[in-house]
Amino acid sequence: AQSVTQPDIHITVSEGASLELRCNYSYGATPYLFWYVQSPGQGLQLLLKYFSGDTLVQGIKGFEAEFKRSQSSFNLRKPSVHWSDAAEYFCARPNFGNEKLTFGTGTRLTIIP
Amino acid sequence: NAGVTQTPKFQVLKTGQSMTLQCAQDMNHNSMYWYRQDPGMGLRLIYYSASEGTTDKGEVPNGYNVSRLNKREFSLRLESAAPSQTSVYFCASDRGISYEQYFGPGTRLTVT
Repeated sequence: AQSVTQPDIHITVSEGASLELRCNYSYGATPYLFWYVQSPGQGLQLLLKYFSGDTLVQGIKGFEAEFKRSQSSFNLRKPSVHWSDAAEYFCARPNFGNEKLTFGTGTRLTIIP
Repeated sequence: NAGVTQTPKFQVLKTGQSMTLQCAQDMNHNSMYWYRQDPGMGLRLIYYSASEGTTDKGEVPNGYNVSRLNKREFSLRLESAAPSQTSVYFCASDRGISYEQYFGPGTRLTVT
């Protein structure tokens, strides 16, 4: 079945350092891919999405992600993290069985001073 | 414009009790969803409604029922709560074509 995998359960980064969160997808020549963020105690919010075209997509809050077909990856990056970026991040793609979003298990990001 | 609202925010039930989680959206979205979130498992789709008057099962529908009352409202009912249904429940909506879902703040449910 089509799915996304987030291999990192928890990542800790110093404030001001760069960030890369990994997401790998299975199946699908050119899948639709998404990153969502969940701040503590909140629902999820869309950060960015990839449908086609330019493989580097820009999102909100200074995040970007790059689609790499050769690596089946859609990693999320930010050049310099802020304490407010502490949250849980979910990669997602549509399940082509019912065309509904399937979410990865999430990566929890901790920011240290 | 409140987006997606959910009630209640917190609930504690005893095994066997019933309750309904309420969800409403004011964005004129066609599709609405109920998810549950458990540690280490991400979000799993319980039920969804592609449009007013239709509902379909998601990945984990057992033990739940839903009603799409009108275009705005989509409720989730637990008829006989079990400890395995202890979770955080999220409602979401979208236009049905973009996959850009808008989420409510969640309901934290504990079943003892």
